[in-house]
Amino acid sequence: DSGVTQTPKHLITATGQRVTLRCSPRSGDLSVYWYQQSLDQGLQFLIQYYNGEERAKGNILERFSAQQFPDLHSELNLSSLELGDSALYFCASSVSRDWGNEQFFGPGTRLTVL
Amino acid sequence: AQSVSQHNHHVILSEAASLELGCNYSYGGTVNLFWYVQYPGQHLQLLLKYFSGDPLVKGIKGFEAEFIKSKFSFNLRKPSVQWSDTAEYFCAVNRILTGGGNKLTFGTGTQLKVEL
Repeated sequence: DSGVTQTPKHLITATGQRVTLRCSPRSGDLSVYWYQQSLDQGLQFLIQYYNGEERAKGNILERFSAQQFPDLHSELNLSSLELGDSALYFCASSVSRDWGNEQFFGPGTRLTVL
Repeated sequence: AQSVSQHNHHVILSEAASLELGCNYSYGGTVNLFWYVQYPGQHLQLLLKYFSGDPLVKGIKGFEAEFIKSKFSFNLRKPSVQWSDTAEYFCAVNRILTGGGNKLTFGTGTQLKVEL
C-alpha cells in the first residue's frame, strides 16, 4: 500500500457523459500527478499540481481538467467522454514539486466508456 | 522525439534464469531514472531509482540496475528470477520541465512471465 488512495476503483459510463475521479495523496505530500494508462498509448502523464497550483501539463485533452483542493486531494474531471477514453487512470504523489523525489502511485481507477 | 525505449516487450524465462531488461532514453541533460513494477491487477510499485552517485543501484527483491551515461541506458537485472516476478516492468525518466514542474515519461513496458 503506497498511501495514495483513489476512488472509485471502477467506473462504467456512456459516451458523452462526464465523470470525476478522486485522489488523496500520501500524508505530507504536496504534489499530485495524474497519468493515463491505455493499451495503445501506454502510460502517459496528464498533469501535475503542487499545493493547489498547476505545475506541469502533459498530453491532457481539453475535455479533461483537474484541480487540487486546500486539503490537497485532487480531482480529475473527464467530460464528453469517448470510447477512446477508456483506460486506467493513476494518481501519484510526491513530497515536493521538484523532480528529485520519487512518485508513489495509487491503485488506479479503471474507466470503461460504452 | 525525446523518449524512453524498452526493447523487450515480452520475455519468458524459467525460474532461476537470469534477467536483463533494456532501457534507453533520449533526453540530454540531467535525468532521474526509475524502474517500476506492476503486478497483475495492482498499482505501480517502485523497484529502484537512480538520482546520482554510484551508477549501480540496488532495489527491492534482488533487482539492480546500471546507469551508463554514455549509452543513455538504465538496464534492469536480476541474477535469478522467481515465479513471483511475473509482472510488467516499466522504465521511467523524470526531468524538470520549463516552469519548474516535472513528469515521469515511461517506456512501453516489458511483460515478464516466469515459468516453473
